[in-house]
Amino acid sequence: EDQVTQSPEALRLQEGESSSLNCSYTVSGLRGLFWYRQDPGKGPEFLFTLYSAGEEKEKERLKATLTKKESFLHITAPKPEDSATYLCAVQAAGTGFQKLVFGTGTRLLVSP
Amino acid sequence: DTGVSQNPRHKITKRGQNVTFRCDPISEHNRLYWYRQTLGQGPEFLTYFQNEAQLEKSRLLSDRFSAERPKGSFSTLEIQRTEQGDSAMYLCASSPTSVWSSGNTIYFGEGSWLTVV
Repeated sequence: EDQVTQSPEALRLQEGESSSLNCSYTVSGLRGLFWYRQDPGKGPEFLFTLYSAGEEKEKERLKATLTKKESFLHITAPKPEDSATYLCAVQAAGTGFQKLVFGTGTRLLVSP
Repeated sequence: DTGVSQNPRHKITKRGQNVTFRCDPISEHNRLYWYRQTLGQGPEFLTYFQNEAQLEKSRLLSDRFSAERPKGSFSTLEIQRTEQGDSAMYLCASSPTSVWSSGNTIYFGEGSWLTVV
């Protein structure tokens, strides 16, 4: 069964203090690994899709990387507005539709 | 492109009542998904449409749940005889059909909160 484990569950950073969030996964062949940001009471906001080991994508202060077993979301010099829950999801390879399987997220709080 | 739109955003209902949520996907997205999310958890897959055809349903989708997508445009999710355990946020998402994996982007709406009292 496809599984996603995110760590830590919660992370508190000072503004400017860089860190990384981890997403470990087991999947029967990976079609894509997705990162989303979710603010309280709102739907997930798409950040990145990664497809193969070694791939990296960047957006502002965020950089996502992928290996065969895990993905990291690196946050460089975070600002208070980066505070949110970050969700990781995997989509298995195969014919036809494959659902997203999500982790429980990492709640990030950035203090000024 | 106005994003995935969901209505209503919030619904409080008494146990045993029926509720219906509507989702308007991003225009020209022919794939539409429903997920459910409870506090502290990640979204869980409920069902999937490609155009008007419902191609996949989760075991989470009991007989009290029904989803439709007439004409392959908007979709509705109806919950009959609501129970307190149905309280959750119901998320709709859409994506284009792409031959290439690089086009695999799935966008979520803001969600519809259901509280069953």
